[in-house]
Amino acid sequence: LAKTTQPISMDSYEGQEVNITCSHNNIATNDYITWYQQFPSQGPRFIIQGYKTKVTNEVASLFIPADRKSSTLSLPRVSLSDTAVYYCLVGATSGTYKYIFGTGTRLKVLA
Amino acid sequence: KAGVTQTPRYLIKTRGQQVTLSCSPISGHRSVSWYQQTPGQGLQFLFEYFSETQRNKGNFPGRFSGRQFSNSRSEMNVSTLELGDSALYLCASRLQADLISDTEAFFGQGTRLTVV
Repeated sequence: LAKTTQPISMDSYEGQEVNITCSHNNIATNDYITWYQQFPSQGPRFIIQGYKTKVTNEVASLFIPADRKSSTLSLPRVSLSDTAVYYCLVGATSGTYKYIFGTGTRLKVLA
Repeated sequence: KAGVTQTPRYLIKTRGQQVTLSCSPISGHRSVSWYQQTPGQGLQFLFEYFSETQRNKGNFPGRFSGRQFSNSRSEMNVSTLELGDSALYLCASRLQADLISDTEAFFGQGTRLTVV
């Protein structure tokens, strides 16, 4: 299973765009890239998932280059409530499915 | 539509005891997985069940076990509790485990276990 590497922490100010990059050099052909958000004492919450190029939903965008060895989660105009830990995961359902959560990126949004 | 429900939310046990945690997945979801979260180790995968069968298991000792019932509800059991088992135990459900694109997991709020 592909291992992911993310920055441990990031600070940003309200209203700014935040980009969190995740490295996954040994991503497999069938692997999808998924991002989760977690607030203290709560379970992770799905943000976005993609396989290649760009995916956008109402809360975020996910950019995946052609080689798929990295991905970038983009949060537009963050607010204080976006302060959380963000996890990047890669994995596929192939009969032996399993999520591996890395250490995540602790994002702190400042006023 | 109800989310993933975990019970109890908080639990205090004594070292050496055993504990059973329960997880009710979202209606219609057949896959349930369990995770342990601690400040030092982060989120670690315990095991996953699909249609009452354990499909995957993480690197945890045999004291950690689980099962899934025909209604997809799942329980995990930890025997001979140790102080290091104190953690937030999270359960996640997914619709199915066989579709490549169906990988979104919905997590419960967890059970906070404290071993004293």
